[in-house]
Amino acid sequence: ETGVTQSPTHLIKTRGQQVTLRCSSQSGHNTVSWYQQALGQGPQFIFQYYREEENGRGNFPPRFSGLQFPNYSSELNVNALELDDSALYLCASSFGGGRYEQYFGPGTRLTVT
Amino acid sequence: TQLLEQSPQFLSIQEGENLTVYCNSSSVFSSLQWYRQEPGEGPVLLVTVVTGGEVKKLKRLTFQFGDARKDSSLHITAAQPGDTGLYLCAGAQEGGNKLVFGAGTILRVKS
Repeated sequence: ETGVTQSPTHLIKTRGQQVTLRCSSQSGHNTVSWYQQALGQGPQFIFQYYREEENGRGNFPPRFSGLQFPNYSSELNVNALELDDSALYLCASSFGGGRYEQYFGPGTRLTVT
Repeated sequence: TQLLEQSPQFLSIQEGENLTVYCNSSSVFSSLQWYRQEPGEGPVLLVTVVTGGEVKKLKRLTFQFGDARKDSSLHITAAQPGDTGLYLCAGAQEGGNKLVFGAGTILRVKS
């Protein structure tokens, strides 16, 4: 069974740029949730994709967007990067729209300078 | 607003000691999950509790879900240096699709 993978591992961007982060879900899972974890804090829910549709969104501005592909992998896009976007971005894979246990990938560390 | 309050925020103990981490909320959760996270890595699921009053054991770790499903605790017996890490509790609300996380408890076990 393949676990959750994310790419890239680390990324450095300049304020105002755009970034795309990628996540491959665990085999058999059809739901991907994205979380932002700032240093010293717990993860904060960004949004979730279930069967290629957005299935809930946290308190993040529209410049955070995403999509899910037919193979249930997912992308997180962030436009007009701000310094406060620097964080560990985590994706979590699950089944059934997040009603069941969520399994996390290793994360992408984004630094905005 | 953090719906889940974890305490303590930081714990530094000697190998062999026991400890308890608490996770409290005024909200009811349909389930609660505990994770352990190493620096620079994603959280690793330890356990999920679903029923009020439920107790689950994982080797030296004991997890309890409150009767009203608003709080939970994690007890570690005879802590070892390998237990060092960030412990996170996360709740799923009824009909919801997201996990609400506490801020975490940093545990350091010294040998």
